[in-house]
Amino acid sequence: GAGVSQSPSNKVTEKGKDVELRCDPISGHTALYWYRQSLGQGLEFLIYFQGNSAPDKSGLPSDRFSAERTGGSVSTLTIQRTQQEDSAVYLCASTPGGGEPYEQYFGPGTRLTVT
Amino acid sequence: AQSVAQPEDQVNVAEGNPLTVKCTYSVSGNPYLFWYVQYPNRGLQFLLKYITGDNLVKGSYGFEAEFNKSQTSFHLKKPSALVSDSALYFCAVRDSSTGGFKTIFGAGTRLFVKA
Repeated sequence: GAGVSQSPSNKVTEKGKDVELRCDPISGHTALYWYRQSLGQGLEFLIYFQGNSAPDKSGLPSDRFSAERTGGSVSTLTIQRTQQEDSAVYLCASTPGGGEPYEQYFGPGTRLTVT
Repeated sequence: AQSVAQPEDQVNVAEGNPLTVKCTYSVSGNPYLFWYVQYPNRGLQFLLKYITGDNLVKGSYGFEAEFNKSQTSFHLKKPSALVSDSALYFCAVRDSSTGGFKTIFGAGTRLFVKA
């Protein structure tokens, strides 16, 4: 079946512009995660959604970052007034959810470059 | 709060030799532990996980990891390294006591296997 997809694969934007990154999880997966991977760095947790529960936003680095998940499926990560330090690869992952510690299935990522 | 440490930025090993990639963690309750691998120009892939039970966990591609509660470690091992094992390896932890899904990743360890 189809895996996690993300779009766009690459995004170049000017400092100060807003960007939207999209994630389509695996069908039926109820948990969805966003991470940021800066060059040479590990994965930084940003936010996760699980079913209809309130999302855990504890990893969002500033109020310029927000995310939503519509209909329990597709998710959009929005970065407002982008800064050069926002340049990174943004990864999305999904799991079947529930109480089980399932492994995460990752998308290919969106490489964001802020000039 | 949960955390993960991968003390080595890079591990070098000769093909055919055993390899170990180290990981230590900190959680309030019992941990769920994961290893993922990121090959060049490919997405993150799940290798193995520890939930409960046997401390030695076997995973994909001949990898295994040993959970050590007293040392709060979950080192990744392979008896005989292959050049194709060269990649970036991430350890991750989720705290089972929170009931949440937040998963924290380490900074990653780059493995180089020399022919």
